[in-house]
Amino acid sequence: AAGVIQSPRHLIKEKRETATLKCYPIPRHDTVYWYQQGPGQDPQFLISFYEKMQSDKGSIPDRFSAQQFSDYHSELNMSSLELGDSALYFCASRTRGLAGEGEQFFGPGTRLTVL
Amino acid sequence: DAKTTQPPSMDCAEGRAANLPCNHSTISGNEYVYWYRQIHSQGPQYIIHGLKNNETNEMASLIITEDRKSSTLILPHATLRDTAVYYCIVRVAPGAGSYQLTFGKGTKLSVIP
Repeated sequence: AAGVIQSPRHLIKEKRETATLKCYPIPRHDTVYWYQQGPGQDPQFLISFYEKMQSDKGSIPDRFSAQQFSDYHSELNMSSLELGDSALYFCASRTRGLAGEGEQFFGPGTRLTVL
Repeated sequence: DAKTTQPPSMDCAEGRAANLPCNHSTISGNEYVYWYRQIHSQGPQYIIHGLKNNETNEMASLIITEDRKSSTLILPHATLRDTAVYYCIVRVAPGAGSYQLTFGKGTKLSVIP
């Protein structure tokens, strides 16, 4: 079965650079979520999109922005990178077509290292 | 969303049942109990969820107490591949809402050969 695809899987950047992370949800999934997991931390919700519109916002820094495109893939743009941005970034998708509960399916993550 | 409390770590012998408890004493009537797990540095994986009835699927069973203030995730025959951090998450059913997950500290389950 198709899974959530994230690219790149690993990314190394210098401080103050920019980075773009991409997420391709499971086909026919219309909702995308981004989570950040710092070293030794639990995943923290950043932002979500439903039908290309931002639906909820968590602890996402102002230096980060995201969007969902017409083909439902999503991109997380990160500017003025800081050392503390080094983390695993997970994307998850689900469909609201399911009546009731509908679990999230997570991608393998992008490991961002800021030097 | 209701707060959950889980033990930070547990050990389980391979082949035995792993019983992971979760307390959610402030759960509301319309909140579900969800379980996810995260194998080292992989994306979290959905396991099971329930409202008030016990649930079973191919991965696990979920036992929810009658007052719904606590629950237990049961892995009937733990294998080494079940070593992971297990998260108990309580929240309302997605419905029209966004349904982001709020991860707490979770229980690190170590399955011992």
